[in-house]
Amino acid sequence: GQNIDQPTEMTATEGAIVQINCTYQTSGFNGLFWYQQHAGEAPTFLSYNVLDGLEEKGRFSSFLSRSKGYSYLLLKELQMKDSASYLCAALDSNYQLIWGAGTKLIIKP
Amino acid sequence: IAGITQAPTSQILAAGRRMTLRCTQDMRHNAMYWYRQDLGLGLRLIHYSNTAGTTGKGEVPDGYSVSRANTDDFPLTLASAVPSQTSVYFCASSDSAFDGNQPQHFGDGTRLSIL
Repeated sequence: GQNIDQPTEMTATEGAIVQINCTYQTSGFNGLFWYQQHAGEAPTFLSYNVLDGLEEKGRFSSFLSRSKGYSYLLLKELQMKDSASYLCAALDSNYQLIWGAGTKLIIKP
Repeated sequence: IAGITQAPTSQILAAGRRMTLRCTQDMRHNAMYWYRQDLGLGLRLIHYSNTAGTTGKGEVPDGYSVSRANTDDFPLTLASAVPSQTSVYFCASSDSAFDGNQPQHFGDGTRLSIL
């Protein structure tokens, strides 16, 4: 079966760095997405990785290892507004997104 | 402002009633999707449309139907609502269903409660 695993909840301190991990098992693979979702709002796109390695976009970076079925989202210089759920999703061989349940990130002052 | 509009924002519905959730996008995206989001679960695909005039079943299609008569609109219909369909429904679109570089963009969602 197809499966995405990510931690349910994480807590970090304002100004610090946090890494949110995601492992995936899909039938075929066409890339890995990260989305941010604030409570009561729509998911918004953060990053897309299809090749191994690190993609940096400002304070956010995303890493992919296809051989390990593993990705992480790295958030630097955490701000209170980064408190949200972070959704990992893998694009399978049918180009359908398989979604994880999301990681709720709590930022403390 | 370009984007996806969903209506209604929220709805309370009696079981057995028919309900259509509306979704309109003005980005001229080819592909559109309907998801449901339930606490503790990932987004689950209900139905999708890769291009106007075509639709397909996702992971959880039972009890739902869709149509794609034109590029902009993708309504989702619950023929006879049941309490297990209580959820938050998100409509999304992307420029291409077959290009990972074209991420999905989401509407603000419809909160549906079936009593």
